[in-house]
Amino acid sequence: GIQVEQSPPDLILQEGANSTLRCNFSDSVNNLQWFHQNPWGQLINLFYIPSGTKQNGRLSATTVATERYSLLYISSSQTTDSGVYFCALNTGNQFYFGTGTSLTVIP
Amino acid sequence: DTGVSQNPRHKITKRGQNVTFRCDPISEHNRLYWYRQTLGQGPEFLTYFQNEAQLEKSRLLSDRFSAERPKGSFSTLEIQRTEQGDSAMYLCASSHPTGAAFFGQGTRLTVV
Repeated sequence: GIQVEQSPPDLILQEGANSTLRCNFSDSVNNLQWFHQNPWGQLINLFYIPSGTKQNGRLSATTVATERYSLLYISSSQTTDSGVYFCALNTGNQFYFGTGTSLTVIP
Repeated sequence: DTGVSQNPRHKITKRGQNVTFRCDPISEHNRLYWYRQTLGQGPEFLTYFQNEAQLEKSRLLSDRFSAERPKGSFSTLEIQRTEQGDSAMYLCASSHPTGAAFFGQGTRLTVV
């Protein structure tokens, strides 16, 4: 089966710090997305990024499909960034999720 | 377009009872997915529809689980004879074939 690995599993940041989350995957990708799961459990779509680089405010993401990894950058972190971040690959009929990175931003 | 809508948001049921959840996808999204998530884990795939056709079904889905999407719009997920191990967050997502998937707020099931 397709393997999706995320690192680090847990991350604690001081407010204002920057961070990089990594997603490694074992197969070619049609569709890769980054999600933030809020405290109520909803998965919020951050980026749809099968390849290349995108930016949205303090967040940006890069996927290098040929090397099978994706990175999520969070700059100037805020307490509201806390939560679990998932990457997910869609190779056809389903999304394969990583195990997530749990981020805690402390004031 | 108000996003993916799931109902109910919370459900508490007694073991052995049947429950049904509903998912209304984003209009014109022909792909619909159901996932299950337990505490501390990532979402696990349950099943996938393209329009009204159920094209993929996880081996995790026992015979007590059934899903439908009769008109290619909303979908229902039914669990018969619920067990305590069915307690989880049930998530629904929809997408275009080549676009991003969007998730609903989920239905949290507690079996007592």
